[in-house]
Amino acid sequence: KAGVTQTPRYLIKTRGQQVTLSCSPISGHRSVSWYQQTPGQGLQFLFEYFSETQRNKGNFPGRFSGRQFSNSRSEMNVSTLELGDSALYLCASSRTENTEAFFGQGTRLTVV
Amino acid sequence: AQSVAQPEDQVNVAEGNPLTVKCTYSVSGNPYLFWYVQYPNRGLQFLLKYITGDNLVKGSYGFEAEFNKSQTSFHLKKPSALVSDSALYFCAVRDLGGGYNKLIFGAGTRLAVHP
Repeated sequence: KAGVTQTPRYLIKTRGQQVTLSCSPISGHRSVSWYQQTPGQGLQFLFEYFSETQRNKGNFPGRFSGRQFSNSRSEMNVSTLELGDSALYLCASSRTENTEAFFGQGTRLTVV
Repeated sequence: AQSVAQPEDQVNVAEGNPLTVKCTYSVSGNPYLFWYVQYPNRGLQFLLKYITGDNLVKGSYGFEAEFNKSQTSFHLKKPSALVSDSALYFCAVRDLGGGYNKLIFGAGTRLAVHP
């Protein structure tokens, strides 16, 4: 069965712009979470959505936001991009709290 | 607060030798522990998990992990390393207060398997 799909794979944006990243979870998975991966900070939790509701949010500024649609697909948005937002953004989905999370390939965002 | 530590930045092992990648955790309550592997420019691939039950957990690609409650450890092991095992390995614990799949990751350990 298809895995977690993230689009696009690569993005280059200019400081001050905004960006939207997309994630399609595994069929039947209703929980989607987002992580930021950087060399300095490692893997950090951004937020989690379940049934179109944000259940949890990490310690990121309000420029980072997300949403989940009725088909469980999720998007995250970063406004007013800063150089420090350059990172690999990973999306993960899972079926229940007792099962593992499956990750997508990630979106590599470069802010110049 | 839940946390995970991977004390080694890098582990070097010769092909064919056993490998161990270390992980210790700090949680309140019963831990939900995971190992993931990441290859260059890729996402994380699930290897194995401990939720409850046997302390020796078997996972994908011949990997296994040993849960030790008294030492609060969850070390990843493989009896015979392959060059293709060279990658970045992450230990993670599920933050049970944070919803279904909020994971807290260790800093990662780079495994280098030499021919």
